[in-house]
Amino acid sequence: KQEVTQIPAALSVPEGENLVLNCSFTDSAIYNLQWFRQDPGKGLTSLLLIQSSQREQTSGRLNASLDKSSGRSTLYIAASQPGDSATYLCAVRRGDYKLSFGAGTTVTVRA
Amino acid sequence: KAGVTQTPRYLIKTRGQQVTLSCSPISGHRSVSWYQQTPGQGLQFLFEYFSETQRNKGNFPGRFSGRQFSNSRSEMNVSTLELGDSALYLCASSLEQRNTEAFFGQGTRLTVV
Repeated sequence: KQEVTQIPAALSVPEGENLVLNCSFTDSAIYNLQWFRQDPGKGLTSLLLIQSSQREQTSGRLNASLDKSSGRSTLYIAASQPGDSATYLCAVRRGDYKLSFGAGTTVTVRA
Repeated sequence: KAGVTQTPRYLIKTRGQQVTLSCSPISGHRSVSWYQQTPGQGLQFLFEYFSETQRNKGNFPGRFSGRQFSNSRSEMNVSTLELGDSALYLCASSLEQRNTEAFFGQGTRLTVV
């Protein structure tokens, strides 16, 4: 069974600081890893998708790395803004079509 | 292009009733998955459909069922509702391949009283 862990569970930083969010998974036989953002009471917004053959993926201020052999991914958010406050979730997809999610990291960016 | 559309957005039902939730995927997407999100359990997989066939099912009781239509739209049904079924139900769509990106709808907030 795939276990996905996200540390820390919550994070509070001043505006402008860089954010580092961690995700680990137990089964390295994955097709891809996806990072999502969720605002309170809302659905999930896809941020980045990293295929199992890739080492990293970038979009604007976001950069995600993947080390499949060690079962780890890190999401970096540069120069954080109050609008980045949300819960960030990572999910891995295996061959059984489903996404296995971590519990998320709740980020607060203080103005 | 239009995103994943879930209806209704909010529902209040009484214990013992049944409910049907709807999901319209992104145009061209043939895979639809359903997830339940609760504060205690997080996001849990319910089932996945492709071309009207269920390809995988999570560990939920038989009260939870779903189907997919020929236009890829999907519905999930929960019968004999229990208080513990109160949750945010999320639908995701993606292309056929396992290595493609999943896009989620805004969810249906179900409250069972």
